[in-house]
Amino acid sequence: QKEVEQDPGPLSVPEGAIVSLNCTYSNSAFQYFMWYRQYSRKGPELLMYTYSSGNKEDGRFTAQVDKSSKYISLFIRDSQPSDSATYLCAMSARTSGSRLTFGEGTQLTVNP
Amino acid sequence: DAGITQSPRYKITETGRQVTLMCHQTWSHSYMFWYRQDLGHGLRLIYYSAAADITDKGEVPDGYVVSRSKTENFPLTLESATRSQTSVYFCASSDRQGGSSYEQYFGPGTRLTVT
Repeated sequence: QKEVEQDPGPLSVPEGAIVSLNCTYSNSAFQYFMWYRQYSRKGPELLMYTYSSGNKEDGRFTAQVDKSSKYISLFIRDSQPSDSATYLCAMSARTSGSRLTFGEGTQLTVNP
Repeated sequence: DAGITQSPRYKITETGRQVTLMCHQTWSHSYMFWYRQDLGHGLRLIYYSAAADITDKGEVPDGYVVSRSKTENFPLTLESATRSQTSVYFCASSDRQGGSSYEQYFGPGTRLTVT
């Protein structure tokens, strides 16, 4: 069983929709939670970073962590065609150094 | 150019050949990483390095060799390429001294095909 599970999609939504992307994990030692965005034929880039449980908002993006359920989410409000990309969740434990464990990634398409 | 670069961007090689993928970063980040990205598996860590001359295995190290004689370079060598090593390879770097010490900065990737 993978340490981090993420629905690969693909997910297709109309412009302006609210998008919810999710990951579950099994390692209770994970404390650092990230969302990376990867455009086609590009390297991933960090979108959101959260430490422990709670919510974090940045513009149209909200990252949510529920450690009791081992579940993290990324919400995108007022989605735009430019949001079309693959979104990868990533996690790390304090003892992991700088190593990250990634989810498989969810491919999102926002249609104009 | 500043940042993290990978070369070549595309490579086709034959089974059994040795091939080296290059990675160079200009930030003097202490940590560097090699991942492969495959459909159905996402990003999997091959090797990582905490500093020059310090390397360690990741999740899928078999068939790969790394070295890090200089902080800015982290080459990945496939000693005898196999078709199962056909993949997109990403190099990344991270600065443990920074505020977001878990942020990794990725290169553009190398698409490797083994025939």
